[in-house]
Amino acid sequence: AQTVTQSQPEMSVQEAETVTLSCTYDTSESDYYLFWYKQPPSRQMILVIRQEAYKQQNATENRFSVNFQKAAKSFSLKISDSQLGDAAMYFCAYRNTLENTPLVFGKGTRLSVIA
Amino acid sequence: GAGVSQTPSNKVTEKGKYVELRCDPISGHTALYWYRQSLGQGPEFLIYFQGTGAADDSGLPNDRFFAVRPEGSVSTLKIQRTERGDSAVYLCASSAGQGVIETQYFGPGTRLLVL
Repeated sequence: AQTVTQSQPEMSVQEAETVTLSCTYDTSESDYYLFWYKQPPSRQMILVIRQEAYKQQNATENRFSVNFQKAAKSFSLKISDSQLGDAAMYFCAYRNTLENTPLVFGKGTRLSVIA
Repeated sequence: GAGVSQTPSNKVTEKGKYVELRCDPISGHTALYWYRQSLGQGPEFLIYFQGTGAADDSGLPNDRFFAVRPEGSVSTLKIQRTERGDSAVYLCASSAGQGVIETQYFGPGTRLLVL
């Protein structure tokens, strides 16, 4: 079974600075999808960014980018120019390539942004 | 609707009681997922519907848990003889169900507390 590990229960960053959240995963598959979700206190999970494993190029979405290291099974999230609104729980998630399969989540990292 | 909605937002019940949690997916989304998020953990998959049928219920923890989606839209998660260990946030997600990389959109969840 696939597993996702987030080794940083909590992180903090100064406003306008850059922070990197770590994620590793375990799978025997060669093709799969990886996601970062944000969960603010409202509890609603919001998709931040996703990466297809067959793509070598790292995904970027505005201030959010990933460092995908397939051989190391590592998928870190970099948040640039951090804003107060970035404070939330961040979850890394894995999904295989079969249509409509569930997400496998890590335990999450709580990010605090200091003004 | 504009997004996935879940009712009630919070539910407090006593051990041994029966509860129903409702999910209203995004209009037109054929795929619907239920996840359970215990305190300090990431969401864990419970059950997935494609249309009216439960395509995968492998995540249901035991036979006290049951879910239906009779008309292929609204879904109800039913928990019989609730136990204190059932206390968690129950998240619902829906997706268009077309294409492999479809995004799952989450609702705000129902926080269940079993006393």
